[in-house]
Amino acid sequence: AQKVTQAQTEISVVEKEDVTLDCVYETRDTTYYLFWYKQPPSGELVFLIRRNSFDEQNEISGRYSWNFQKSTSSFNFTITASQVVDSAVYFCALSEPYSGGGADGLTFGKGTHLIIQP
Amino acid sequence: NAGVTQTPKFRVLKTGQSMTLLCAQDMNHEYMYWYRQDPGMGLRLIHYSVGEGTTAKGEVPDGYNVSRLKKQNFLLGLESAAPSQTSVYFCASSYSGTSAGEEQYFGPGTRLTVT
Repeated sequence: AQKVTQAQTEISVVEKEDVTLDCVYETRDTTYYLFWYKQPPSGELVFLIRRNSFDEQNEISGRYSWNFQKSTSSFNFTITASQVVDSAVYFCALSEPYSGGGADGLTFGKGTHLIIQP
Repeated sequence: NAGVTQTPKFRVLKTGQSMTLLCAQDMNHEYMYWYRQDPGMGLRLIHYSVGEGTTAKGEVPDGYNVSRLKKQNFLLGLESAAPSQTSVYFCASSYSGTSAGEEQYFGPGTRLTVT
């Protein structure tokens, strides 16, 4: 079973539409961290946000917002009024400090390819 | 401040050849990582290091070796390349590790093709 599931392989919307990218995770840890990264067509990975398991407050940063719900093990990402520059692959990732016996590193989902059409 | 750099950017190998990928960071980070990215697979952790002189296996370590002789450098070696190792390789670094909730800073990637 995947630990981080991004069920939407590809999403295509027209510019200015709102779009939500889903992320569902699985862990036995009570302390864990969730991340979102963006990979634009140029290929680099850009950090967007980090959330720890004890902080369920939603986060808003400009047109971006994140909804963390422990009850459904989800950490969804919404882009409001999408723009062409938002076109990228978006990855959700999980860090489990304890399940892996102290191992470090991230477990990534397979990514969602977001296409914003002008 | 260059951040995380990777050498080379592109490489084509023949099956059975060996090569070393170099990752360097100038942020004084303790933790360094190697991931591979394959189409539709996301990124998978190969090896990582929690400090100079240390290495540890990740999710997909087979066929790779690593060394961290200097804090700022993390080398990934392929002793006998196989077509299954065709991938994009990303190096990353972090000050105190993802287990502490720290984000990783990624290099630009190395595209490796094994024929």
